[in-house]
Amino acid sequence: ELKVEQNPLFLSMQEGKNYTIYCNYSTTSDRLYWYRQDPGKSLESLFVLLSNGAVKQEGRLMASLDTKARLSTLHITAAVHDLSATYFCAVNFGNEKLTFGTGTRLTIIP
Amino acid sequence: ETGVTQSPTHLIKTRGQQVTLRCSSQSGHNTVSWYQQALGQGPQFIFQYYREEENGRGNFPPRFSGLQFPNYSSELNVNALELDDSALYLCASSRPGLSSYEQYFGPGTRLTVT
Repeated sequence: ELKVEQNPLFLSMQEGKNYTIYCNYSTTSDRLYWYRQDPGKSLESLFVLLSNGAVKQEGRLMASLDTKARLSTLHITAAVHDLSATYFCAVNFGNEKLTFGTGTRLTIIP
Repeated sequence: ETGVTQSPTHLIKTRGQQVTLRCSSQSGHNTVSWYQQALGQGPQFIFQYYREEENGRGNFPPRFSGLQFPNYSSELNVNALELDDSALYLCASSRPGLSSYEQYFGPGTRLTVT
């Protein structure tokens, strides 16, 4: 059974600081997704990582994938309040069927 | 290009009742996956439909069933509702074979069982 673990579960950080969210998964997969979810809302796609060593960046967010270590990271640079949300990683277990992590609730403090 | 839509937005049902949720996939997408997200948790895969056939199922009982129609829209049916079925139900559409591998999620249906 594929298991996906994220840490930390909760993250409170000051504006302007950098931090990293980690996503570990238990079995081999060819794709990893990062999503953002605001309270009471649906999931917004951030990144799809397709290969070992893949790195994608959008604004203050950068995601990377190490398939050998079964690890993905989501790095936040110079955090701003608008980035406060819950972030999920999700691993593909076949034809776009996803197993999600537990989520990281990020709060940016002024 | 239209996005993924779901209806209804909110629903309140009583334990033991039955409910049907609907999802229209993004234009050009032929695969719909359904997820259940309980409060404070990550979404859990219920099942997937591809070309009107069930194409994989998660750890959910048979009282969770679905359909996909020729236009690729989909329904999720839940019979004999239980209190633990209260959750946000999300559908996602995709098209296997696209190089982007994107999955687009709908806005969700919030189901409350009392």
